[in-house]
Amino acid sequence: DVKVTQSSRYLVKRTGEKVFLECVQDMDHENMFWYRQDPGLGLRLIYFSYDVKMKEKGDIPEGYSVSREKKERFSLILESASTNQTSMYLCASSRVGREGFSYGYTFGSGTRLTVV
Amino acid sequence: GNSVTQMEGPVTLSEEAFLTINCTYTATGYPSLFWYVQYPGEGLQLLLKATKADDKGSNKGFEATYRKETTSFHLEKGSVQVSDSAVYFCALSEARGGYQKVTFGIGTKLQVIP
Repeated sequence: DVKVTQSSRYLVKRTGEKVFLECVQDMDHENMFWYRQDPGLGLRLIYFSYDVKMKEKGDIPEGYSVSREKKERFSLILESASTNQTSMYLCASSRVGREGFSYGYTFGSGTRLTVV
Repeated sequence: GNSVTQMEGPVTLSEEAFLTINCTYTATGYPSLFWYVQYPGEGLQLLLKATKADDKGSNKGFEATYRKETTSFHLEKGSVQVSDSAVYFCALSEARGGYQKVTFGIGTKLQVIP
């Protein structure tokens, strides 16, 4: 069964800590994405990567960075965690579609991060 | 830009009731349309999709038809079960030079009571 695996389901960190969220996919997908999900706000795109070592800012990149050194792994980094970064973080991956065709995303199970 | 509109809910139904969750969209191009489902404590799962006008996506008793003339992709199920309780997200996607740009709706919470 194809999978996107996020390293932690629950995480508690202190304000000011540097936090790493890891995501690994086994489907040889080119594209990978990080979202955060908050009540009443839906899913908001933080960063995405369309190829190894490539990254693009999403809608809310402030306070975050990413790393994609290998095709299967996409890491989200909170440089200095703050309480307003308490959220559910979702990783997703997808194939590149031919022109005009989209395959949809495969999501991980999510990491619920609490910053205290 | 692109956008997806759906009601946030919650929608509360009795078991075996008929379900409709409305979804309308605006898009600059010709998108693919999706419904995702999120069960409590989980990530999103792809439920169904449609890639061109008049296509019908279906899965697990759920259906949705791509209506280009009304820019809609409403989700329906004839008889819901308690196990269908979840949050449902409508989404559109456009392929752009090497990646997909996906826009999600806010999600509709469905509660099915026995």
